[in-house]
Amino acid sequence: ELKVEQNPLFLSMQEGKNYTIYCNYSTTSDRLYWYRQDPGKSLESLFVLLSNGAVKQEGRLMASLDTKARLSTLHITAAVHDLSATYFCAVDMGTGTASKLTFGTGTRLQVTL
Amino acid sequence: DSGVTQTPKHLITATGQRVTLRCSPRSGDLSVYWYQQSLDQGLQFLIQYYNGEERAKGNILERFSAQQFPDLHSELNLSSLELGDSALYFCASSVSQGPWEQYFGPGTRLTVT
Repeated sequence: ELKVEQNPLFLSMQEGKNYTIYCNYSTTSDRLYWYRQDPGKSLESLFVLLSNGAVKQEGRLMASLDTKARLSTLHITAAVHDLSATYFCAVDMGTGTASKLTFGTGTRLQVTL
Repeated sequence: DSGVTQTPKHLITATGQRVTLRCSPRSGDLSVYWYQQSLDQGLQFLIQYYNGEERAKGNILERFSAQQFPDLHSELNLSSLELGDSALYFCASSVSQGPWEQYFGPGTRLTVT
């Protein structure tokens, strides 16, 4: 059974600081996604990573995928308060048009002044 | 706004009852997915339909069933409801070709009393 572990579970960081969220998974996959969820809201797609070595950047967020290490990272640069949210990674074990996402536990990020 | 719609937004019902949740995917998306989010279990994939056919199955209880209609909208039926079924139920949709990025609807909050 696929296990997806995120750490840390909770992250409190000051504005302007950098930090990395880690997503480890137990079974080989080359489809990994990052989502953001604000309290009481739906999930917003941030990144789609589809191959070993994939790196995507959007604003202050950068995601990478190492399929050999079964590890994805979400790096936050110079955090701002608006980034406060819960971040989920999800690993897809589907093939072709089938998709079966297994989500990590989520990392709750709180950015303080 | 992801373009995925779900109704109703909130639902309160009693144990033993049956409810139907409805989802309309983004225009052009052939795949519909259902997820359950609760404090106990986190975010769990339930089932995927692709162009009217079941394509992938996750941790969906036998008391739950889903279908996708010719107009591509989907319904999730939950029967013999238990207190533990109280959760946020999300629908998502994606295009038929890669990168299979899933767009989530606003969710239906189900409370079983």
